[in-house]
Amino acid sequence: QVQLQESGPRLVRPSETLSLTCTVSGYSISSGFFWSWIRQPPGKGLEWIGSASHTGSAFYTPSLKSRVTISMDTSKKQFFLRLNSVTAADTAVYYCAREWRGDCFDNWGQGTPVTVSS
Amino acid sequence: QSALTQPPSVSGSPGQAVTISCTGTSSDVGSYDRVSWYQQPPGTAPKLIIYEVTNRPSGVPDRFSGSKSGDTASLTISGLQAEDEADYYCSSYTSTATLVFGGGTKLTVL
Repeated sequence: QVQLQESGPRLVRPSETLSLTCTVSGYSISSGFFWSWIRQPPGKGLEWIGSASHTGSAFYTPSLKSRVTISMDTSKKQFFLRLNSVTAADTAVYYCAREWRGDCFDNWGQGTPVTVSS
Repeated sequence: QSALTQPPSVSGSPGQAVTISCTGTSSDVGSYDRVSWYQQPPGTAPKLIIYEVTNRPSGVPDRFSGSKSGDTASLTISGLQAEDEADYYCSSYTSTATLVFGGGTKLTVL
């Protein structure tokens, strides 16, 4: 059974970098699949941020591509999100998920709320 | 890329059927049979209920079904139950190898 758990600071100052970690259990992230970050602003819908694989391939949503990096540490069974130069618009619940079959998300973390505020 | 278009809300009575639409473009829904649907009860993470237009993951009741015509995909829930009350999101693969979600639809069971 695949389980994912997000962790990281819940408060980030404007213009600083948001950094989150997703720890995966029940599956080796070096065995395949893409691993993804998705966010949901308060009271709003889901937004795919991007996905990456252990081979180094990564894909990002165009509106965030200049500010986002997804990386992985297969030895620690973790993957990471870095989002630079944050503003209040980046306030959201951030989910990590496994991308299955290249086009959907079959396992999700519980989500972690992040607020951007001074 | 623009979000896929979903109605903000739909409603139905127990036992009835409801359909939620998801409209994209020829660059996403219209070109690929790679549409998925997610159910998100309040305060919880989304759950995959339909993948690749018509397929249900193991454990998802057959009351949930998906279809597609042109640039519009649809999720139908038959035999509506109180526990189906949730937000529903569609998602599609796109021509730029990215993924895009719909704006979400709130289902109310009357």
